[in-house]
Amino acid sequence: GAVVSQHPSWVICKSGTSVKIECRSLDFQATTMFWYRQFPKQSLMLMATSNEGSKATYEQGVEKDKFLINHASLTLSTLTVTSAHPEDSSFYICSARDYGLMNTEAFFGQGTRLTVV
Amino acid sequence: AQSVTQPDIHITVSEGASLELRCNYSYGATPYLFWYVQSPGQGLQLLLKYFSGDTLVQGIKGFEAEFKRSQSSFNLRKPSVHWSDAAEYFCAVGPYSGGGADGLTFGKGTHLIIQP
Repeated sequence: GAVVSQHPSWVICKSGTSVKIECRSLDFQATTMFWYRQFPKQSLMLMATSNEGSKATYEQGVEKDKFLINHASLTLSTLTVTSAHPEDSSFYICSARDYGLMNTEAFFGQGTRLTVV
Repeated sequence: AQSVTQPDIHITVSEGASLELRCNYSYGATPYLFWYVQSPGQGLQLLLKYFSGDTLVQGIKGFEAEFKRSQSSFNLRKPSVHWSDAAEYFCAVGPYSGGGADGLTFGKGTHLIIQP
């Protein structure tokens, strides 16, 4: 299957700072990528849909000014958590779909563990 | 709005025994259904998916799932579990867009414990 790479795998940052997470599709072009958030021992929640060359679409309740998404190319989307606070500590996972293929699912990255201290 | 219900938070199964994990969904159109497995601190691994066609779907690691439209269910089964199957299992449903599934709605997950 297609490969989606996330970087970093884990990050620790101080409260009030910003942190950027990258999501790359390594062997296919992804017009659209998806960002999810998973709290400990809970399910994944879709945060936003990232569209190449246009603004991201955020799910209800997700602060767009806090979670900045940029999808500048067909293989890279970034999620920046701005002015991070301890309650932003979570597991962030991206996924991307190869729109050149029919009946395919989106492929998930390995996730990024964010800890805000 | 779409939703996914996994009624069992925890399931304990003896090694070698059969397994069934339940999943019910609510979706206004033809669903695209998935089962994922997640080991602690890891990302998601796709076990199997249903888009259309045969309602009994075979996946990796000996898993299968059956789509039952009348019951809005997509239960995951395995005839004989191994200790390495211990993990968190997520059922998910997605909308159809451009020929495949987009952003997914996940169930809360079922934690599978394997007894020796």
